Amino acid sequence: GEDVEQSLFLSVREGDSSVINCTYTDSSSTYLYWYKQEPGAGLQLLTYIFSNMDMKQDQRLTVLLNKKDKHLSLRIADTQTGDSAIYFCAESMSNDMRFGAGTRLTVKP
Amino acid sequence: DGGITQSPKYLFRKEGQNVTLSCEQNLNHDAMYWYRQDPGQGLRLIYYSQIVNDFQKGDIAEGYSVSREKKESFPLTVTSAQKNPTAFYLCASSMGFSNQPQHFGDGTRLSIL
Repeated sequence: GEDVEQSLFLSVREGDSSVINCTYTDSSSTYLYWYKQEPGAGLQLLTYIFSNMDMKQDQRLTVLLNKKDKHLSLRIADTQTGDSAIYFCAESMSNDMRFGAGTRLTVKP
Repeated sequence: DGGITQSPKYLFRKEGQNVTLSCEQNLNHDAMYWYRQDPGQGLRLIYYSQIVNDFQKGDIAEGYSVSREKKESFPLTVTSAQKNPTAFYLCASSMGFSNQPQHFGDGTRLSIL
């Protein structure tokens, strides 16, 4: 099974905030990443957070890390139809990188 | 512009045939990876290479082979031993192997005729 878990689907209305959640299992993970995949394309690195940080903000994106609960979230403010995609959470250890199954975000006008 | 180029975008394989997927990067990255993506699933690691002339099996290496003769290139061969090859294949690279973000190509979709 997956070491990194995400819910499979999320649907929001345009202009609302989206929150995509992820849980990981390895407390030694050093970096945690969020990737975006549009249909028929590869994965685009959106943002990442180092494990000694609690929060990182980058324009409309906010990453929150709860290391005690091994919980990572990605908040997208003012979600647009162009944000519709699959979002992957990934954890990086010293010699491995593990991806979740991806959350499909649908943005309704 | 630096990046990772995968070709072809679509590939069809006949029964009993080997096919090779190309992956080239001009990012000067040491490490390269091949993943397989099936619908509704995450990425599964096929092979990875930390440095030229070295590569290691990932979680699902059976039926696949790779080579790393040049830093820029990491081709993947899907052999006839791979009984269920229909999938989306993604190549990635990173500056180093440990704790470095991976950058991805646009993928190759392989289908069986």
